[in-house]
Amino acid sequence: EPEVTQTPSHQVTQMGQEVILRCVPISNHLYFYWYRQILGQKVEFLVSFYNNEISEKSEIFDDQFSVERPDGSNFTLKIRSTKLEDSAMYFCAGTTGSTEAFFGQGTRLTVV
Amino acid sequence: AQSVTQPDIHITVSEGASLELRCNYSYGATPYLFWYVQSPGQGLQLLLKYFSGDTLVQGIKGFEAEFKRSQSSFNLRKPSVHWSDAAEYFCAVGAKQAGTALIFGKGTTLSVSS
Repeated sequence: EPEVTQTPSHQVTQMGQEVILRCVPISNHLYFYWYRQILGQKVEFLVSFYNNEISEKSEIFDDQFSVERPDGSNFTLKIRSTKLEDSAMYFCAGTTGSTEAFFGQGTRLTVV
Repeated sequence: AQSVTQPDIHITVSEGASLELRCNYSYGATPYLFWYVQSPGQGLQLLLKYFSGDTLVQGIKGFEAEFKRSQSSFNLRKPSVHWSDAAEYFCAVGAKQAGTALIFGKGTTLSVSS
């Protein structure tokens, strides 16, 4: 069964450093998303991406965040200068647009 | 405001007993409703979904959910819980429009006692 793959599974970074979280979506998906889950809190939407551009973003997704799909395969989330409050589980998801979203296993980001 | 409420933060059920997890939503458009399960260290796995039609939907692992428009609810049920069902359960709502973000509830942690 096809699945969404995220790497790394756990990333530890120092405050102020840049991090890139990677995702390989299911091949026939057209819409891609990043969500995050701060420990003990609900899953929150960050951004959606379609046709190589952002289609929707939340208030959380400020100028420190960016997404791209550089090679038509990987879908990345970059955090330019990490803060302690960016520590969370980050989930990538995808959908064909007419079905439910399929989520990856997540990347746990720890900012120290 | 669009939101999903899961009123129970933590529920403990005996193995073999029935289960009902509550979910209420507030959403401006016609809702698409989902239940996801998250086991420790794992991602979000879809249990079931409601798009339209029959308001009682069946999912994987013996779960079902009933959409009640008048109560804005989408409660998850299972007639007999297994120890392996211990996990965190999330209700989510989205729109029919492709690419719309999902709005999640805060989740309910299910513990199963023997």
